[in-house]
Amino acid sequence: GENVEQHPSTLSVQEGDSAVIKCTYSDSASNYFPWYKQELGKGPQLIIDIRSNVGEKKDQRIAVTLNKTAKHFSLHITETQPEDSAVYFCAASKGEKLTFGTGTRLTIIP
Amino acid sequence: DAGVIQSPRHEVTEMGQEVTLRCKPISGHDYLFWYRQTMMRGLELLIYFNNNVPIDDSGMPEDRFSAKMPNASFSTLKIQPSEPRDSAVYFCASSFWGGANEQFFGPGTRLTVL
Repeated sequence: GENVEQHPSTLSVQEGDSAVIKCTYSDSASNYFPWYKQELGKGPQLIIDIRSNVGEKKDQRIAVTLNKTAKHFSLHITETQPEDSAVYFCAASKGEKLTFGTGTRLTIIP
Repeated sequence: DAGVIQSPRHEVTEMGQEVTLRCKPISGHDYLFWYRQTMMRGLELLIYFNNNVPIDDSGMPEDRFSAKMPNASFSTLKIQPSEPRDSAVYFCASSFWGGANEQFFGPGTRLTVL
């Protein structure tokens, strides 16, 4: 089955700086790569996703890049703000079933 | 739409008791997923349904766990008998085919088994 690895497990950045979280996947047939944000006491919420026919996607301060050859994808958050503090999960799928990474706890230092 | 609704939000029970967690998916969604989240194992998929039919229950840890979806607007996850190692946050999520695979998560049920 699919295996998704995520790094780092924790990340602290100064407010205004950029944050990057990286994931690798094992199944070359995977074609959908979402990123979820989980705030304390809440369920994960989709923030951005990318499909295998696209190399990069941006939505305001967040962007995701995908390298199919290397089987890795990354989340980039620019101009970080205190409200970006949360746990972020990457995931991969080739159908309706998602396999999640282990999560990155991002802390924005004011 | 109110989103995915889960109840109860918190459950504290004693070892050996039966626990039932409930989920109402978003109206019109035809997939329903049950996940378990722990610090040690992260987010694990337990089982998922398509049009009320269980498709893959390979993530259900053991026979003590069972899930049902009697209709399109309701699902239950039951643990009988419960054990302390079942303590976790249980999430329900729903999606619809043609919806770009996006899964919408509920707020979760925090289960503590003493």
